[in-house]
Amino acid sequence: SQQGEEDPQALSIQEGENATMNCSYKTSINNLQWYRQNSGRGLVHLILIRSNEREKHSGRLRVTLDTSKKSSSLLITASRAADTASYFCATDTGRRALTFGSGTRLQVQP
Amino acid sequence: GAGVSQSPSNKVTEKGKDVELRCDPISGHTALYWYRQSLGQGLEFLIYFQGNSAPDKSGLPSDRFSAERTGGSVSTLTIQRTQQEDSAVYLCASSRTGGEWPQHFGDGTRLSIL
Repeated sequence: SQQGEEDPQALSIQEGENATMNCSYKTSINNLQWYRQNSGRGLVHLILIRSNEREKHSGRLRVTLDTSKKSSSLLITASRAADTASYFCATDTGRRALTFGSGTRLQVQP
Repeated sequence: GAGVSQSPSNKVTEKGKDVELRCDPISGHTALYWYRQSLGQGLEFLIYFQGNSAPDKSGLPSDRFSAERTGGSVSTLTIQRTQQEDSAVYLCASSRTGGEWPQHFGDGTRLSIL
């Protein structure tokens, strides 16, 4: 099974609203990363949070990490139509390449 | 170029043929990764190169899949005797040294096996 699982699988909101996506994982991690993928394109790194951090901000992005629950959330505030994309969490266990979840498809309606 | 470049962007081939997919990483990046993404799914790890170390091939799904990285730069992923289940987008990424450095992705090669 996947190390990282995003929830919900799909999310549709209106422009200006906040979008929250969740990620759960199974094993201990060094860090957790969030990536964004526009349709037909590669992934773009958004933010990294280390295992000893609980919250991190970058612009309109806010990421939390709860290692006791093995979960993370990504909040996008004041969403824009341009935020429409798929969002993936990826866990770094220090063993090899990142392990990606199946993603959340976000649709922001103008 | 400044980013990771993959070629071809699209490849359509008949079942049983061999295909080669190419990845040009960002200059100076020592870590290079190949992933496979099926329609609407997450990324499946295939293989990881780090500098001159032996590659981590643990994600390759069968012995029909192989990859090499020449001169620590360009990488080629080869799929022999392609099957329909090989149809997917193959993504390449590079990073400075792995670890916490973010991965930079190319736009992928969309492979369709008829």
